[in-house]
Amino acid sequence: NAGVTQTPKFRVLKTGQSMTLLCAQDMNHEYMYWYRQDPGMGLRLIHYSVGEGTTAKGEVPDGYNVSRLKKQNFLLGLESAAPSQTSVYFCASSYSKVGGPKFTNSYEQYFGPGTRLTVT
Amino acid sequence: KQEVTQIPAALSVPEGENLVLNCSFTDSAIYNLQWFRQDPGKGLTSLLLIQSSQREQTSGRLNASLDKSSGRSTLYIAASQPGDSATYLCAVNDYKLSFGAGTTVTVRA
Repeated sequence: NAGVTQTPKFRVLKTGQSMTLLCAQDMNHEYMYWYRQDPGMGLRLIHYSVGEGTTAKGEVPDGYNVSRLKKQNFLLGLESAAPSQTSVYFCASSYSKVGGPKFTNSYEQYFGPGTRLTVT
Repeated sequence: KQEVTQIPAALSVPEGENLVLNCSFTDSAIYNLQWFRQDPGKGLTSLLLIQSSQREQTSGRLNASLDKSSGRSTLYIAASQPGDSATYLCAVNDYKLSFGAGTTVTVRA
């Protein structure tokens, strides 16, 4: 299994440009999450999804949109990039409390390798 | 809103010394607590996960304790090595993870 993968690994955008970050998981997880990490800070939740076709706002959702059209994919979009969105973006996924195989940890999150985004 | 605090922000110790990293959180209604390691410019490596019903979890030289009632977790790393130098992140899980800012550890050879 590849686990959680993220595309692209690096990207440089100019202010006002748009882009989509792709997260894919092959563990049949119900829940998926997008976080951002800024220097000297822990990760902050942007948006999350508790199942195909659902999305919800996290702690810092402004300026981002998400979609979960397929269970295995979670897309993060920036419609008009701003320098404040320069960050490292991490995707994660997890089973729900009852959705996983026996003996799995409830909501234990598995992380992708991250996407480093610079907006100039 | 869950608030997670990690103290100290940075720690430097000589090789062989035991490390003690602290994490505190404000809301005890959690499913579990995870400790992660992050090397500079890299992703997250999960070290230990403690379920809310557990008091501690051990893996090799690592031991993590959880006191839900007081909102505290401690990560102990025995006999530190230069390879333990990294940032250690604590995260509490109420199906969404809330992270602390991390403790950056330097182990001097």
